[in-house]
Amino acid sequence: DGGITQSPKYLFRKEGQNVTLSCEQNLNHDAMYWYRQDPGQGLRLIYYSQIVNDFQKGDIAEGYSVSREKKESFPLTVTSAQKNPTAFYLCASSIGVVAYYNEQFFGPGTRLTVL
Amino acid sequence: GQQVMQIPQYQHVQEGEDFTTYCNSSTTLSNIQWYKQRPGGHPVFLIQLVKSGEVKKQKRLTFQFGEAKKNSSLHITATQTTDVGTYFCAVNSGYSTLTFGKGTMLLVSP
Repeated sequence: DGGITQSPKYLFRKEGQNVTLSCEQNLNHDAMYWYRQDPGQGLRLIYYSQIVNDFQKGDIAEGYSVSREKKESFPLTVTSAQKNPTAFYLCASSIGVVAYYNEQFFGPGTRLTVL
Repeated sequence: GQQVMQIPQYQHVQEGEDFTTYCNSSTTLSNIQWYKQRPGGHPVFLIQLVKSGEVKKQKRLTFQFGEAKKNSSLHITATQTTDVGTYFCAVNSGYSTLTFGKGTMLLVSP
């Protein structure tokens, strides 16, 4: 089955620790995205990547970092610099890089709680 | 950047009643996408509208794009409990990116 996997589903970390969220897709999609979802806030774009070894900041990139070493993988690191990291994190991909033409496919998400 | 306002934020209906959510922009849109997120789930793409005045139907769901391409609506006829979830509109905010509305949460009571 083709799709996007995110692991783990739930993640707990102590304040001040960096944590890396996994996102893998086997859809052969070029573009990948990371969103943060807070209650009543919709989805806010953290980072996106159109091609391997390249990525761009989204609207709320501060305190986060990403890498795109392989087409199918786009891990997100939540650093200790992120002031309010507790949230639901969604990874998405699209077949092409032009948003106009392409729907986004989402993974199941990781719910991060920082204690 | 591009912003869209989605109303209402929340609606509670009885099963069988109709439901409508609206997405409004102050600028002309190139296109608009709609997504549905079930409780505890992830957003799933429903449809994309591109043309001025476009109307598309998916069973009990009707999607419209305004003539001026500044607003869109999603209408559900005779809601069912399976319609429960949050409905998001999303618009282009750049070459490769979308901006999502804050969503309308729909609750359907049997």
